[in-house]
Amino acid sequence: NAGVTQTPKFQVLKTGQSMTLQCAQDMNHNSMYWYRQDPGMGLRLIYYSASEGTTDKGEVPNGYNVSRLNKREFSLRLESAAPSQTSVYFCASSANRDSRLFFGEGSRLTVL
Amino acid sequence: EDKVVQSPLSLVVHEGDTVTLNCSYEVTNFRSLLWYKQEKKAPTFLFMLTSSGIEKKSGRLSSILDKKELFSILNITATQTGDSAVYLCAAPPRGSQGNLIFGKGTKLSVKP
Repeated sequence: NAGVTQTPKFQVLKTGQSMTLQCAQDMNHNSMYWYRQDPGMGLRLIYYSASEGTTDKGEVPNGYNVSRLNKREFSLRLESAAPSQTSVYFCASSANRDSRLFFGEGSRLTVL
Repeated sequence: EDKVVQSPLSLVVHEGDTVTLNCSYEVTNFRSLLWYKQEKKAPTFLFMLTSSGIEKKSGRLSSILDKKELFSILNITATQTGDSAVYLCAAPPRGSQGNLIFGKGTKLSVKP
């Protein structure tokens, strides 16, 4: 039972490089989310997609783009990575507006 | 601005102790409050509370919501070392499409 799968689990980038974090869920959920988690800051929403074909900004969207490729997949792209984007990134999904979120295991990104 | 505040931020207890974790919230059009447990990786769901005064229970863990005073507590009785984790409290903010705002978490350490 895979649930929410994120890749890669670890990545080191140099400032200015680009990369895409991939997320896929196999629970037929409508909504998907990208959060970042930093020490002392808790989980903060970057972008979310309430349904296939829609995406919306969250609390901290600057420097990121997203694509809801289909119902299963939601990717997060860093076009020009900055050290401030060093963080652990979590993808999550939910069935509908008032359902609990299911999280992936996280992707640890370091930008040098 | 909607917010969720947890206290204490960290707590050290010994096996067998009972602990109470606190979560207060200010959320417009409040709908629900959720508790998650985060060990090394993904947050895992514990409880969703929507009604005031009704306790949710799972083994040694229980939680209750007070909608008048705008807070929730998570109780853990007879703590074990496996309860060591960060406990996160969250709520859907105003206008949420399923996304949650999180408190900064309470880090619980249970010593043998």
